[in-house]
Amino acid sequence: AQSVTQLDSQVPVFEEAPVELRCNYSSSVSVYLFWYVQYPNQGLQLLLKYLSGSTLVESINGFEAEFNKSQTSFHLRKPSVHISDTAEYFCAVTLTGFQKLVFGTGTRLLVSP
Amino acid sequence: GAVVSQHPSWVICKSGTSVKIECRSLDFQATTMFWYRQFPKQSLMLMATSNEGSKATYEQGVEKDKFLINHASLTLSTLTVTSAHPEDSSFYICSASRTRGVGEQFFGPGTRLTVL
Repeated sequence: AQSVTQLDSQVPVFEEAPVELRCNYSSSVSVYLFWYVQYPNQGLQLLLKYLSGSTLVESINGFEAEFNKSQTSFHLRKPSVHISDTAEYFCAVTLTGFQKLVFGTGTRLLVSP
Repeated sequence: GAVVSQHPSWVICKSGTSVKIECRSLDFQATTMFWYRQFPKQSLMLMATSNEGSKATYEQGVEKDKFLINHASLTLSTLTVTSAHPEDSSFYICSASRTRGVGEQFFGPGTRLTVL
């Protein structure tokens, strides 16, 4: 069975600093990878996804993630964060051809002035 | 597009009562809906998957008689927590997918259930 590891439970950064949220997955077969963001007391919003093609995927608000098959990673990066980026970020994986998402434990990004 | 709503957004009930949570896809037809449970500061745990017109598939360890799921139409799924107890207090989130195959899941805003 596949699994997702987000080693950092909390990442504090200053505004305008770069940030990387780490995600590693475990699977013996091909997977699809996702990053979701959750603001307090809200549901999840899709940030970006990798299904196939270019290993570098970008979101409309400046985040990007790179699929690295050899390292089984899908780290999320942003070159300059804003206060409004403060939220919980979840990495998720699903096997190709299936629907069930397996989520990591989440990383809380805390952006301070 | 692809908006999913949940009702109610929060509910407080007494122990022993039943609570129904609705999940609606507002602008698309959802062939598949998912129900998740999230404990404070923890990840989402899939409870069950439901396809329109068929019985829900529950994950291991989830009591199907306690968490009744109905997916009667392509836009509505309901989760009923029967005989709720304080340990059922949690944040319940639904998601919906347009297709039975791999497709993006669109998440609802969640329902906070507190059982006294």
